[in-house]
Amino acid sequence: DIQMTQSPSVLSASVGDRVTLSCKASQNINKNLDWYQQKLGEAPKLLIYFTNNLQTGIPSRFSGSGSGTDYTLTISSLQPEDVATYFCFQYNSGWTFGGGTKLELK
Amino acid sequence: EVQLVESGGGLVQPGRSLKLSCAASGFTFSNYYMAWVRQAPTKGLEWVASITNSGGSTYYRDSVKGRFTISRDNAKSTLYLQMDSLRSEDTATYYCTRARIYYYDASFAYWGQGTLVTVSS
Repeated sequence: DIQMTQSPSVLSASVGDRVTLSCKASQNINKNLDWYQQKLGEAPKLLIYFTNNLQTGIPSRFSGSGSGTDYTLTISSLQPEDVATYFCFQYNSGWTFGGGTKLELK
Repeated sequence: EVQLVESGGGLVQPGRSLKLSCAASGFTFSNYYMAWVRQAPTKGLEWVASITNSGGSTYYRDSVKGRFTISRDNAKSTLYLQMDSLRSEDTATYYCTRARIYYYDASFAYWGQGTLVTVSS
């Protein structure tokens, strides 16, 4: 089974900061990776699909990149409404979520 | 507007059964793969099971294989999750999800509000 490791588990940043969240797969997942945002008390929301494609309605400050085993979600200028937990998700072989990164405001 | 509405959650004793339903509307249900994702209290997301648009193929995480059954009724636009031999570790909010595009098994663009299953004596 493919394991997905996200880092850091908790990230504190200030409004306007450029923020980078990482996700590492235990083997090559061929860019078959999504990113989800989950705010407290809400269902998850799809942000990015297939590594770097922005889902409809998602602000352009969110972007994704990566290949092989290493993937990144970047928020170019952090906004207060971006406080949430972010999960990566691989579907190259089976389906596996990462453990999540909780993003807080400093 | 796409809507997914789960029901059937509740408190159940270990070893007993529960059946979740997800009523779908706003799209042609029979065109889309569907999945169940769960989240234990204060924990992360966990994929549970998926089903193809016809229902002809199903997939499960190892920890629920042989205990859970995903199914669908395309005539009723409803997804199901039959959960047998429930364990305390199955306690979670269960979300019904739909893929972003036809005949695709990931990129869950639509989620229900979730239904809480609590397994406890």
